[in-house]
Amino acid sequence: GAGVSQSPRYKVAKRGQDVALRCDPISGHVSLFWYQQALGQGPEFLTYFQNEAQLDKSGLPSDRFFAERPEGSVSTLKIQRTQQEDSAVYLCASSGSRRTGRNGELFFGEGSRLTVL
Amino acid sequence: TQLLEQSPQFLSIQEGENLTVYCNSSSVFSSLQWYRQEPGEGPVLLVTVVTGGEVKKLKRLTFQFGDARKDSSLHITAAQPGDTGLYLCAGGRGGGGADGLTFGKGTHLIIQP
Repeated sequence: GAGVSQSPRYKVAKRGQDVALRCDPISGHVSLFWYQQALGQGPEFLTYFQNEAQLDKSGLPSDRFFAERPEGSVSTLKIQRTQQEDSAVYLCASSGSRRTGRNGELFFGEGSRLTVL
Repeated sequence: TQLLEQSPQFLSIQEGENLTVYCNSSSVFSSLQWYRQEPGEGPVLLVTVVTGGEVKKLKRLTFQFGDARKDSSLHITAAQPGDTGLYLCAGGRGGGGADGLTFGKGTHLIIQP
């Protein structure tokens, strides 16, 4: 597709359930990022992939969060045993630049809104 | 941790007025980007500034990067209702290894007709 695609757009989970959020980046983009955005706040960095390699996972809040990008394209963010504080919008972004933040632009998806009851 | 403080947090003004929002940090950034986000959408890049003192104009929007590359401002002239949104500044972490952007909490801007 032309842009970054995320699914599902909305997910309601009961506390303790596992969820999986999918990101389909722009074709050919090397870099992929996951961000968490709480209501009314700016995005907070979770993790970064360069192709299939997860180079930075320092932003993942706990070991319940796991991300993968096995073939260097589609990525999945998995949250195990969801808690209410996990409720947020999860944004995926991709970039064609290996040095995003210098001159590269992040292209964001519309996000997956997770509500944990 | 490199933090970006944005101010004001909320701003509601009338159509036609001018406004300035600020993005400040105690850290030096290799570059700084401004994004605009509308409800239910992801952020969209407006501009990237990389040189201290740089000024970029995008129609009615003027972006400035501080000389020391620690702060930035966004000035909007003759604001219009279509300018309503969440304005986010994001600093490039730069350096070697994994890269990424650190975002501020944003300025919620409402332009009333």
